[in-house]
Amino acid sequence: RKEVEQDPGPFNVPEGATVAFNCTYSNSASQSFFWYRQDCRKEPKLLMSVYSSGNEDGRFTAQLNRASQYISLLIRDSKLSDSATYLCVVNGAAGNKLTFGGGTRVLVKP
Amino acid sequence: GAGVSQSPSNKVTEKGKDVELRCDPISGHTALYWYRQRLGQGLEFLIYFQGNSAPDKSGLPSDRFSAERTGESVSTLTIQRTQQEDSAVYLCASKTYRGSSYEQYFGPGTRLTVT
Repeated sequence: RKEVEQDPGPFNVPEGATVAFNCTYSNSASQSFFWYRQDCRKEPKLLMSVYSSGNEDGRFTAQLNRASQYISLLIRDSKLSDSATYLCVVNGAAGNKLTFGGGTRVLVKP
Repeated sequence: GAGVSQSPSNKVTEKGKDVELRCDPISGHTALYWYRQRLGQGLEFLIYFQGNSAPDKSGLPSDRFSAERTGESVSTLTIQRTQQEDSAVYLCASKTYRGSSYEQYFGPGTRLTVT
C-alpha cells in the first residue's frame, strides 16, 4: 500500500461548479499535511497547509480527518485557471521527509 | 525575495556520461531536498539535508547517485554513468518553519534527458 494515495482523475469540472477530492495516508503518526498545485511542466507550488480544525483560503477549503486518515480539498466556484494537478503531501515517518501522492488532475471547462 | 534556483534548466547528455545538477536554496532555509519526477509520474524523494546533520539518503536509487551540500547553501546532485532511465525532472526544494508548521518551496527543476 502506498503511503499517500490519491485518485488520479481527471476530474472534469464545469466552470463555476464545486469539486472535492480526497487523499488517504497510511502512517497514523503523520502530523503535517499540505496541498500543492502543479501545472503542466512546472514545479509544485504550495497551495495550503491543512490544519486539524480545517482551514479555508478563498475558494479553497482543506480538511483533515485523522480517524479515517484522509485529507480533502474542496474548490468552490471553479475557474479555468484552477486546472492543474493537485498533490497531497504528508510528512513521513521520519518526520522530516515529505511524501507526495501521485496527484489528482482537475480540468475545469467552460 | 529570491526563490529556489536550479541550474541548468535543461541538460541533454549521452548515456554513460556524468552530470552535475545545482540547487541554490532560499537564503536562511536550513533544510534542502532533492526529488525526481519522471514524465507523468509523482515526485520521488531522493535525499534530504538538514543543517549539519547527516543527510537522509534513503531515496537515492543507486550508488550512481550522490549529493553534497556546503553548509546551508548550495547543493549539487551528481549522477554518474547516466542511464536512459535517469531521464526526468530533478526538483530541489528548501524548507522553512512558518507558524506551527513548515513549508517547502520548489525550484523550477532541471530537465535531464539521457540519449
